[in-house]
Amino acid sequence: KAGVTQTPRYLIKTRGQQVTLSCSPISGHRSVSWYQQTPGQGLQFLFEYFSETQRNKGNFPGRFSGRQFSNSRSEMNVSTLELGDSALYLCASSLVAGGATQETQYFGPGTRLLVL
Amino acid sequence: AQSVTQLGSHVSVSEGALVLLRCNYSSSVPPYLFWYVQYPNQGLQLLLKYTSAATLVKGINGFEAEFKKSETSFHLTKPSAHMSDAAEYFCAVSGRNQGGKLIFGQGTELSVKP
Repeated sequence: KAGVTQTPRYLIKTRGQQVTLSCSPISGHRSVSWYQQTPGQGLQFLFEYFSETQRNKGNFPGRFSGRQFSNSRSEMNVSTLELGDSALYLCASSLVAGGATQETQYFGPGTRLLVL
Repeated sequence: AQSVTQLGSHVSVSEGALVLLRCNYSSSVPPYLFWYVQYPNQGLQLLLKYTSAATLVKGINGFEAEFKKSETSFHLTKPSAHMSDAAEYFCAVSGRNQGGKLIFGQGTELSVKP
């Protein structure tokens, strides 16, 4: 079974631009979560989608948004990019979203975004 | 609120020596706990997880961790380090009603000397 895939793997943008990152979960997985990883702040939770609905949201400004499609694929968008948005953005998928049994989250390789 | 503290941002061991990576958590409810490993330019790979079934959890690649509620700890160990274990290790916590939201520690970089 194919793992979580993220596209593109690398991206260079300039301040003020917007960017869209894509995540394809493992086949059959319905939950997709996004994380930002930076040297200074570490790994921080952005948001989680399950069955096309945002179930959980981290403490990020409204410039960060996401969505999930009916096939469980997810996109995240960052508008009006700032230098501080440079990071590795990781997507993770799981069968279900939490509940009585914590399902394992499987991570993709990430998209490395550089904002100049 | 939940939080995770990993003691030591960098740990260095000799090949064949014991690996001990420390993780303490804070949670108002019984937590789920995880250890992930990240190799350079890769995503995170799950090593093991604690979901209250057993306090001693065995994972992949010879790693194990013990949940100690009284110490609010979930330290990761491996009896004998291998060169291929060099990577960054993250401890994470999730609450039972937090869905897919993982709270990560700052990470511990493990170096293995020949």
